[in-house]
Amino acid sequence: QQPVQSPQAVILREGEDAVINCSSSKALYSVHWYRQKHGEAPVFLMILLKGGEQKGHDKISASFNEKKQQSSLYLTASQLSYSGTYFCGTSPRGGGADGLTFGKGTHLIIQP
Amino acid sequence: EAGVAQSPRYKIIEKRQSVAFWCNPISGHATLYWYQQILGQGPKLLIQFQNNGVVDDSQLPKDRFSAERLKGVDSTLKIQPAKLEDSAVYLCASTLTTYNEQFFGPGTRLTVL
Repeated sequence: QQPVQSPQAVILREGEDAVINCSSSKALYSVHWYRQKHGEAPVFLMILLKGGEQKGHDKISASFNEKKQQSSLYLTASQLSYSGTYFCGTSPRGGGADGLTFGKGTHLIIQP
Repeated sequence: EAGVAQSPRYKIIEKRQSVAFWCNPISGHATLYWYQQILGQGPKLLIQFQNNGVVDDSQLPKDRFSAERLKGVDSTLKIQPAKLEDSAVYLCASTLTTYNEQFFGPGTRLTVL
């Protein structure tokens, strides 16, 4: 079951904040966040595990609400380099190295 | 450290022709994945290998797609015969350990005419 991401697209000014949500109808064990720039491969941002804590590095952080089967990615004080498409990938099993089911993505455009 | 290598980067074929893609994962990565990414969508898992064994191929269209990973290192994905709807970017990824990031290669962009 493909996770649902919202919003589909966001346009921000440099320095503004953004929140991207990822929801699943199935119980999740892990949620992975990736960013993909046009014509490039997806790049890993972070992974959140069931029972784990909120994660973050630099000005990008994420949370995982197991009861709601939902994860949110927070980008604060956005920079031009944050532009791209953000995908959440989910794994319902605790296999650790499972292949992921990705959402359709959220397009983020940061304007100067 | 070298990343995931894929070739070719681009391929244009006509429908009903055959095509093969090659992937060399990061050295030491036991788990290898092939994803299909259609324009405007997220990657879709086609097959997952652990060493040279198949872990998950539930979404692989086995009537036309095949994949192998000989010796547990590089892998080949084949489409025979290709259909128009196979036009996509085929991404190879690998991972070293459990609950770790998947490293993606640059992908092969396939256009079927």
